[in-house]
Formats: sequence, structure tokens, C-alpha cells
Amino acid sequence: LAKTTQPISMDSYEGQEVNITCSHNNIATNDYITWYQQFPSQGPRFIIQGYKTKVTNEVASLFIPADRKSSTLSLPRVSLSDTAVYYCLVGDMGSNYQLIWGAGTKLIIKP
Amino acid sequence: KAGVTQTPRYLIKTRGQQVTLSCSPISGHRSVSWYQQTPGQGLQFLFEYFSETQRNKGNFPGRFSGRQFSNSRSEMNVSTLELGDSALYLCASSQTTGTRPEQYFGPGTRLTVT
Repeated sequence: LAKTTQPISMDSYEGQEVNITCSHNNIATNDYITWYQQFPSQGPRFIIQGYKTKVTNEVASLFIPADRKSSTLSLPRVSLSDTAVYYCLVGDMGSNYQLIWGAGTKLIIKP
Repeated sequence: KAGVTQTPRYLIKTRGQQVTLSCSPISGHRSVSWYQQTPGQGLQFLFEYFSETQRNKGNFPGRFSGRQFSNSRSEMNVSTLELGDSALYLCASSQTTGTRPEQYFGPGTRLTVT
């Protein structure tokens, strides 16, 4: 079964760049790596996804090395509203395919 | 487009009872996934239904079951409730399956078992 590891929590300050790394092994070779953001009392919300190398959208960048054993979510110039829990999501490479969510990283942005 | 809706939003049940939760996906979405979220365990995948068939199942006991109807609406049932089943149950819909399609989450059903 695929396993994921993320830091439990991180602190940063407004205006800084924040990088959150998720380590994952035994993931499906042809599946995407996806990141979600969750605010209190809400369901998770899609941020970004990628397969290899680097992907960038209007809110974040995602870096995935060639071996795909990790992925790094990069949030540029964070603000207080980026305080949330961030999850990585991968697919399991086993015969019984299932989605594997990371435990989540609680990011706290300070003024 | 209307988002994912879940009913009820809050529920209080007694140990030993059973409960049914409902999820209406976004129009056109054929995949519905269910998750259990607790402070201690985080987001735990329960199962996924696609075109009325259970496609994937997480590591939960058989007391947790679900189904999907022809209009893609889904229900989740928990029988013989235990105190540990108290959690936020989230439903998510997507157009297809796998990690690629963006999942859209509902607001959740907060279940309290006493």
C-alpha cells in the first residue's frame, strides 16, 4: 500500500514563500499527484496537481522529481488567509487501487 | 452550477443504532467518494462509487456500506454505531475516477454518537 508522509505543522510569516513536502512511495506509476487545501468547517479544495517536473497555476507551484517519490507544494508570498491544512493525494500502485491521502500539514501564517 | 450537497448536516445517534447519510453530486459527475474525518486520524477514505459500482474501498469494517443510484446520488450507511464513529463525513464528486479529476467536496455531515 502506498504511504505518504507530510510534516504535521509549519509556521511562516506573511509575504514569505512556503514549501510543503510530501514523501510518497509505491504510488501508481501513471497517476497524478494532487494537493488540496482545507479550511475549518469546510471540505478540502483542489489547489494543484501534476505528474512530473514542475506545474504552476495562479495560486501555487508543484515540484515533482523524476523518481516521483516526493512532491513539494510551493506557496509564493503567503498571506494570513493561507492558514489552512494542506493534503497531498496519490494513487496506490497495488492491485486494489485506492486513493491515499496524506495526514495533512497545518500551516499557520503569522503577521 | 450547484455544488455538492450533503444531508443532514448534523446528526446525533445512540450507540447501536444505524444511520444513513446522503450526498448529491454536482450535475454531470459520475464519481462519488466518501471520507471520514476525525481530529486524530485526519482524512480517511471510505469508498468510491462510479456509475453505480463500488470502485475502491478503504480499510473500514463492513458496518460501513454505501450505494450509488442511477442519477449518481449516493448514500452511506453505518450500522451498529460505535462511539468511535463520531466524525465529520465528507462526500466528494468528480467527473471520473483516480487522482487526476478534481474532487469537489460537500460541507459534510457531522455525526455524533452518544
